[in-house]
Amino acid sequence: GAVVSQHPSWVICKSGTSVKIECRSLDFQATTMFWYRQFPKQSLMLMATSNEGSKATYEQGVEKDKFLINHASLTLSTLTVTSAHPEDSSFYICSASQRSPGGDTQYFGPGTRLTVL
Amino acid sequence: RKEVEQDPGPFNVPEGATVAFNCTYSNSASQSFFWYRQDCRKEPKLLMSVYSSGNEDGRFTAQLNRASQYISLLIRDSKLSDSATYLCVVNNAGNMLTFGGGTRLMVKP
Repeated sequence: GAVVSQHPSWVICKSGTSVKIECRSLDFQATTMFWYRQFPKQSLMLMATSNEGSKATYEQGVEKDKFLINHASLTLSTLTVTSAHPEDSSFYICSASQRSPGGDTQYFGPGTRLTVL
Repeated sequence: RKEVEQDPGPFNVPEGATVAFNCTYSNSASQSFFWYRQDCRKEPKLLMSVYSSGNEDGRFTAQLNRASQYISLLIRDSKLSDSATYLCVVNNAGNMLTFGGGTRLMVKP
């Protein structure tokens, strides 16, 4: 199956700093990538949909100025958590959509665990 | 009402047992349906798609009832390695996945 990587796997930072997370589709081109957030004991919540070469579409309640998304190429999308605070500590997961005759399939990256002190 | 609802469990079953999970979804226009498996502190992984005719993959059987907006997953002959959280996932328009809260399964020796 298709492979999606994320970097870093985990990060610990001080409050007020910015953290950049990369999501790469390694063996396919993804026109669309998705960013999710998962808090402990909760399910994945979609944060934003990212299309290559255009602005991301954010879900209601997600601040676009705080969570900056850049989708510069068909294999790379980045999420930057600006001025991170402890309440931003979460598991951030990206997925990349691969087109196939039967429809699009989303493949998930391994996630990035962010802890803000 | 949540868009995709699941019983959170946990379901504690002995090895070899058969266990069934249910899921309901609220959007009648939903187009495709999946079961994902998520291990602790890992990303979700696609277990199987769910089709109206029902489909089986080894010990796993998935069913979809569009009229009732209901999806099920049956696991036969449970293994210790089946212990995980099972996520019911619905794809609405635009390739947007909506996740249920997950059902936790613990298979004990």
